[in-house]
Amino acid sequence: EVQLVQSGAAVKKPGESLKISCKASGYDFPIYWIGWVRQMPGKGLEWMGIIYPGDGDTRYSPSFQGQVTMSADTSISTAYLQWSSLKASDTAMYYCARHMGLSRRGAFEIWGQGTMVSVSS
Amino acid sequence: EIVMTQSPATLSVSLGEKATLSCRASQNVASDLAWFQQRPGQAPRLLMYDASTRATGIPARFSGSGSGTEFTLTISRLQSEDIAVYYCQQYNDWPPYSFGQGTKLEIK
Repeated sequence: EVQLVQSGAAVKKPGESLKISCKASGYDFPIYWIGWVRQMPGKGLEWMGIIYPGDGDTRYSPSFQGQVTMSADTSISTAYLQWSSLKASDTAMYYCARHMGLSRRGAFEIWGQGTMVSVSS
Repeated sequence: EIVMTQSPATLSVSLGEKATLSCRASQNVASDLAWFQQRPGQAPRLLMYDASTRATGIPARFSGSGSGTEFTLTISRLQSEDIAVYYCQQYNDWPPYSFGQGTKLEIK
């Protein structure tokens, strides 16, 4: 079964760093694009960016460029999303999702269960 | 950046009736358009891709149409489990592969 399992909820203070994970199983991890989607409380979906694990090619939405870093470790089939200095406005649910096909142009077919990040002093 | 606009923001439909949701792109996205369903407390689920192809396991009462800048998702006979927020997303030009703001579907 193709699956993405995300790390658990995180509670942090402003200024702290954080790295959340998305572990893939059931498919050839390096050859499918994986992306991240933010959903702030009560709001819609926002496309943050996407990474090709095979070579680390990463594309960020202009809204998130410089705010987060995406990475992937093919040895353990895991993608990551990290912050160096969290803000209260980073409070949201974060989803990882895998593209349907091998092309960079595609819909998110497989979704993780989401990781809730709460940032408060 | 391509802007996706969905209408209406909220749609009230009786059980068994047809629901029609719209999505407009600010520029031509060909057929590179997906629809997602998000039930309360759940992750989004892919319903349609390439504008009109149902994803695996999606019931036939869901259909998609359109190309270019105008798209429609139709639910032919609304069932209670269809109550959710629906999002469209273009994947023609990046970054970003932008989402619409969502349409909340509720029972009349």
